[in-house]
Amino acid sequence: GQQLNQSPQSMFIQEGEDVSMNCTSSSIFNTWLWYKQDPGEGPVLLIALYKAGELTSNGRLTAQFGITRKDSFLNISASIPSDVGIYFCAGDAGNNRKLIWGLGTSLAVNP
Amino acid sequence: DAGVTQSPTHLIKTRGQQVTLRCSPKSGHDTVSWYQQALGQGPQFIFQYYEEEERQRGNFPDRFSGHQFPNYSSELNVNALLLGDSALYLCASSFGTFSYNEQFFGPGTRLTVL
Repeated sequence: GQQLNQSPQSMFIQEGEDVSMNCTSSSIFNTWLWYKQDPGEGPVLLIALYKAGELTSNGRLTAQFGITRKDSFLNISASIPSDVGIYFCAGDAGNNRKLIWGLGTSLAVNP
Repeated sequence: DAGVTQSPTHLIKTRGQQVTLRCSPKSGHDTVSWYQQALGQGPQFIFQYYEEEERQRGNFPDRFSGHQFPNYSSELNVNALLLGDSALYLCASSFGTFSYNEQFFGPGTRLTVL
Protein backbone atom coordinates (compact mmCIF):
# COMPACT_ATOMS: atom_id res chain seq x y z
CA GLY A 1 0.00 0.00 0.00
CA GLN A 2 0.92 3.64 -0.32
CA GLN A 3 3.20 5.03 2.38
CA LEU A 4 4.77 8.41 2.93
CA ASN A 5 8.51 9.09 2.75
CA GLN A 6 9.63 9.66 6.31
CA SER A 7 13.19 10.43 7.38
CA PRO A 8 15.39 9.69 9.08
CA GLN A 9 14.56 6.03 9.61
CA SER A 10 16.23 6.07 13.03
CA MET A 11 18.03 8.45 15.35
CA PHE A 12 20.24 7.96 18.39
CA ILE A 13 20.80 11.14 20.34
CA GLN A 14 21.99 12.41 23.70
CA GLU A 15 19.51 13.65 26.27
CA GLY A 16 19.00 17.39 25.87
CA GLU A 17 19.58 17.46 22.13
CA ASP A 18 17.01 18.71 19.67
CA VAL A 19 15.49 16.34 17.11
CA SER A 20 14.07 16.98 13.67
CA MET A 21 12.26 14.58 11.37
CA ASN A 22 10.25 15.11 8.21
CA CYS A 23 7.76 13.54 5.90
CA THR A 24 7.11 14.05 2.20
CA SER A 25 4.42 12.97 -0.21
CA SER A 26 4.08 12.93 -3.97
CA SER A 27 0.50 14.14 -3.62
CA ILE A 28 -1.22 16.98 -1.81
CA PHE A 29 -2.65 16.44 1.65
CA ASN A 30 -5.34 18.38 3.49
CA THR A 31 -4.29 17.10 6.89
CA TRP A 32 -0.94 16.17 8.39
CA LEU A 33 -0.69 14.30 11.66
CA TRP A 34 2.19 13.23 13.88
CA TYR A 35 1.89 10.21 16.18
CA LYS A 36 4.13 8.45 18.70
CA GLN A 37 3.93 4.71 19.24
CA ASP A 38 5.45 2.92 22.21
CA PRO A 39 6.08 -0.84 22.19
CA GLY A 40 2.88 -2.82 22.68
CA GLU A 41 0.71 0.26 22.33
CA GLY A 42 -1.34 1.93 19.66
CA PRO A 43 -0.25 5.26 18.17
CA VAL A 44 -0.98 8.39 20.19
CA LEU A 45 -1.68 11.66 18.39
CA LEU A 46 0.90 14.36 19.15
CA ILE A 47 0.00 17.17 16.76
CA ALA A 48 -2.63 17.67 14.05
CA LEU A 49 -2.18 20.20 11.23
CA TYR A 50 -5.07 21.29 9.03
CA LYS A 51 -3.84 24.29 7.07
CA ALA A 52 -0.89 24.84 4.72
CA GLY A 53 1.81 26.83 6.49
CA GLU A 54 0.37 26.07 9.92
CA LEU A 55 2.94 25.86 12.73
CA THR A 56 1.69 24.18 15.90
CA SER A 57 3.36 23.39 19.21
CA ASN A 58 2.58 20.86 21.91
CA GLY A 59 5.00 21.38 24.77
CA ARG A 60 8.49 20.62 23.50
CA LEU A 61 7.10 19.43 20.15
CA THR A 62 6.61 21.68 17.14
CA ALA A 63 5.25 20.63 13.75
CA GLN A 64 4.60 22.47 10.50
CA PHE A 65 2.33 21.82 7.53
CA GLY A 66 4.41 22.59 4.43
CA ILE A 67 3.26 25.36 2.12
CA THR A 68 3.24 23.00 -0.86
CA ARG A 69 0.96 20.69 1.17
CA LYS A 70 3.29 17.83 0.27
CA ASP A 71 5.48 17.83 3.35
CA SER A 72 5.60 18.28 7.09
CA PHE A 73 8.24 18.28 9.80
CA LEU A 74 8.31 17.56 13.52
CA ASN A 75 10.86 19.03 15.93
CA ILE A 76 11.45 17.90 19.49
CA SER A 77 13.44 20.25 21.66
CA ALA A 78 15.57 19.31 24.67
CA SER A 79 14.93 15.56 24.35
CA ILE A 80 14.39 13.43 27.45
CA PRO A 81 14.47 9.64 27.90
CA SER A 82 10.69 9.29 27.71
CA ASP A 83 10.80 10.63 24.15
CA VAL A 84 12.04 7.19 23.10
CA GLY A 85 9.67 5.51 20.68
CA ILE A 86 8.62 5.42 17.05
CA TYR A 87 7.25 8.60 15.52
CA PHE A 88 4.90 8.39 12.54
CA CYS A 89 3.62 10.99 10.19
CA ALA A 90 0.25 10.46 8.54
CA GLY A 91 -1.77 12.36 6.00
CA ASP A 92 -5.31 12.58 4.73
CA ALA A 93 -5.56 13.58 1.08
CA GLY A 94 -9.26 14.16 0.80
CA ASN A 95 -10.89 14.37 4.20
CA ASN A 96 -12.11 10.86 3.58
CA ARG A 97 -10.70 9.56 6.82
CA LYS A 98 -8.32 7.16 5.04
CA LEU A 99 -5.01 8.00 6.63
CA ILE A 100 -1.78 7.26 4.76
CA TRP A 101 1.19 6.68 7.05
CA GLY A 102 4.96 7.00 6.92
CA LEU A 103 7.29 4.14 7.83
CA GLY A 104 8.24 5.76 11.11
CA THR A 105 11.31 7.28 12.74
CA SER A 106 12.73 5.28 15.62
CA LEU A 107 14.15 7.57 18.30
CA ALA A 108 16.59 6.44 20.98
CA VAL A 109 17.76 8.86 23.69
CA ASN A 110 20.93 8.25 25.66
CA PRO A 111 20.55 9.60 29.22
CA ASP B 1 -13.58 5.66 31.56
CA ALA B 2 -12.08 2.83 29.54
CA GLY B 3 -10.33 3.73 26.35
CA VAL B 4 -10.37 1.62 23.21
CA THR B 5 -10.01 -2.05 24.05
CA GLN B 6 -9.12 -4.92 21.76
CA SER B 7 -9.17 -8.67 22.15
CA PRO B 8 -7.39 -10.93 22.08
CA THR B 9 -3.97 -9.42 22.75
CA HIS B 10 -2.12 -12.09 20.83
CA LEU B 11 -3.25 -14.81 18.45
CA ILE B 12 -1.52 -17.57 16.54
CA LYS B 13 -3.17 -19.17 13.52
CA THR B 14 -2.10 -21.36 10.63
CA ARG B 15 -2.43 -20.66 6.93
CA GLY B 16 -5.92 -21.12 5.56
CA GLN B 17 -7.65 -20.59 8.88
CA GLN B 18 -10.07 -17.81 9.70
CA VAL B 19 -9.74 -15.27 12.51
CA THR B 20 -11.99 -12.77 14.27
CA LEU B 21 -10.62 -9.79 16.14
CA ARG B 22 -12.72 -7.59 18.38
CA CYS B 23 -12.76 -3.92 19.30
CA SER B 24 -14.73 -1.94 21.86
CA PRO B 25 -14.65 1.80 21.20
CA LYS B 26 -14.07 4.48 23.77
CA SER B 27 -17.20 5.41 25.65
CA GLY B 28 -19.30 7.83 23.63
CA HIS B 29 -17.66 6.96 20.31
CA ASP B 30 -19.67 5.54 17.43
CA THR B 31 -17.11 5.11 14.62
CA VAL B 32 -14.50 2.37 14.40
CA SER B 33 -11.57 2.18 11.99
CA TRP B 34 -9.28 -0.81 11.50
CA TYR B 35 -5.61 -0.70 10.50
CA GLN B 36 -3.01 -3.37 9.73
CA GLN B 37 0.54 -2.66 10.86
CA ALA B 38 3.20 -5.06 9.59
CA LEU B 39 6.47 -5.24 11.50
CA GLY B 40 8.60 -2.19 10.80
CA GLN B 41 5.87 -0.48 8.81
CA GLY B 42 3.32 2.21 9.36
CA PRO B 43 -0.34 1.29 9.74
CA GLN B 44 -2.41 0.62 6.61
CA PHE B 45 -6.09 1.60 6.62
CA ILE B 46 -8.38 -1.41 6.18
CA PHE B 47 -11.89 0.01 6.61
CA GLN B 48 -14.13 2.16 8.78
CA TYR B 49 -17.55 1.40 10.26
CA TYR B 50 -20.25 3.87 11.20
CA GLU B 51 -23.91 3.17 11.95
CA GLU B 52 -23.23 -0.52 11.43
CA GLU B 53 -22.11 0.01 7.83
CA GLU B 54 -18.74 0.04 6.11
CA ARG B 55 -18.17 3.70 5.21
CA GLN B 56 -14.65 3.67 3.76
CA ARG B 57 -12.33 0.90 2.62
CA GLY B 58 -8.64 0.72 1.88
CA ASN B 59 -6.87 -1.54 -0.61
CA PHE B 60 -7.50 -4.85 1.08
CA PRO B 61 -9.00 -7.98 -0.50
CA ASP B 62 -12.45 -9.28 0.27
CA ARG B 63 -10.90 -11.81 2.65
CA PHE B 64 -10.98 -8.90 5.09
CA SER B 65 -14.47 -8.15 6.29
CA GLY B 66 -15.98 -6.49 9.27
CA HIS B 67 -19.05 -5.81 11.28
CA GLN B 68 -20.28 -3.19 13.69
CA PHE B 69 -22.84 -3.99 16.35
CA PRO B 70 -25.60 -1.73 17.75
CA ASN B 71 -23.43 -1.03 20.80
CA TYR B 72 -20.75 0.33 18.37
CA SER B 73 -18.28 -2.47 19.04
CA SER B 74 -16.73 -4.00 15.95
CA GLU B 75 -15.20 -7.18 14.60
CA LEU B 76 -12.58 -7.70 11.94
CA ASN B 77 -12.71 -11.06 10.17
CA VAL B 78 -9.95 -12.43 7.98
CA ASN B 79 -10.56 -15.59 5.94
CA ALA B 80 -8.08 -17.93 4.29
CA LEU B 81 -5.15 -16.55 6.26
CA LEU B 82 -1.83 -16.02 4.51
CA LEU B 83 1.62 -15.72 6.06
CA GLY B 84 1.58 -12.07 4.98
CA ASP B 85 -1.41 -11.38 7.19
CA SER B 86 0.87 -11.56 10.22
CA ALA B 87 0.74 -8.08 11.72
CA LEU B 88 -0.49 -5.88 14.52
CA TYR B 89 -4.15 -5.05 13.93
CA LEU B 90 -5.15 -1.70 15.37
CA CYS B 91 -8.60 -0.40 16.05
CA ALA B 92 -9.33 3.31 16.41
CA SER B 93 -12.55 4.93 17.55
CA SER B 94 -14.02 8.39 17.10
CA PHE B 95 -17.35 10.16 17.28
CA GLY B 96 -19.76 11.55 14.74
CA THR B 97 -18.42 14.58 12.93
CA PHE B 98 -14.94 13.28 12.44
CA SER B 99 -11.88 14.90 13.97
CA TYR B 100 -8.48 13.29 14.14
CA ASN B 101 -7.93 15.13 17.40
CA GLU B 102 -10.59 12.89 18.88
CA GLN B 103 -9.61 9.56 17.35
CA PHE B 104 -8.03 7.13 19.78
CA PHE B 105 -6.23 3.87 19.06
CA GLY B 106 -6.40 0.65 20.99
CA PRO B 107 -3.28 -1.35 21.90
CA GLY B 108 -3.80 -3.76 19.01
CA THR B 109 -4.02 -7.50 18.46
CA ARG B 110 -0.80 -9.20 17.39
CA LEU B 111 -1.68 -11.90 14.82
CA THR B 112 0.90 -14.48 13.84
CA VAL B 113 0.17 -16.78 10.92
CA LEU B 114 2.31 -19.92 10.71
